[in-house]
Amino acid sequence: DIQMTQSPSSLSASVGDRVTITCRASQSIYSYLNWYQHKPGKAPKLLIYAASSLQSGVPSRFSGRGSGTDFTLTISSLQPEDFATYYCQQSYSNFRLTFGGGTKVEIK
Amino acid sequence: QVQLQESGPGLVKPSETLSLTCTVSGYSISSGYYWGWIRQPPGKGLEWIGSMYYSGSTYYNPSLKSRITISVDTSKNQISMKLTSVTAADTAVYYCARVASTGWRFDYWGQGTLVTVSS
Repeated sequence: DIQMTQSPSSLSASVGDRVTITCRASQSIYSYLNWYQHKPGKAPKLLIYAASSLQSGVPSRFSGRGSGTDFTLTISSLQPEDFATYYCQQSYSNFRLTFGGGTKVEIK
Repeated sequence: QVQLQESGPGLVKPSETLSLTCTVSGYSISSGYYWGWIRQPPGKGLEWIGSMYYSGSTYYNPSLKSRITISVDTSKNQISMKLTSVTAADTAVYYCARVASTGWRFDYWGQGTLVTVSS
């Protein structure tokens, strides 16, 4: 299995802050990396696919970078509606799709 | 707009079979795409359960493969899953989702349904 490790597991930030979340794969997954936003009681929302492509309708303050084993999700200016848990997901191995453990973004 | 809605019993007894249905609106399942199930145990992260193409091709999480069956009913525009011999470890919010046309990412999700395994 490809293990996905996110860091940090949680962070506190203020509105307007620049926030970066890291996701590391246990082996190279090239650019087969997706990011989701998840709010309690809601459906998860696809933000970024193929490491750096912005899903339609997602604000441009969200961006993704990386390839191989190391990836980042950046929110350039945190908005009140961005407080949520973020998950990465590798799609390199379609026989065993795996998610990271999540990063909870909380209000400072 | 594609919408997915999970349904099923909220409480299942240990050793019994968990059965859930996902009703899709705004898109005909028989038009294509893979469809999948993902779960989230309380306080934990997301776990992929399996994915199925409308015509029958399936991929299952190896850790659940002996207990999981995913099926599609194109006449009802529904995807279903059955998980046998459940234990408390199967307590989770269960989501259905559509797999995007390329890249094995989930582009539409249901709201999820909580299933508790308890006697």
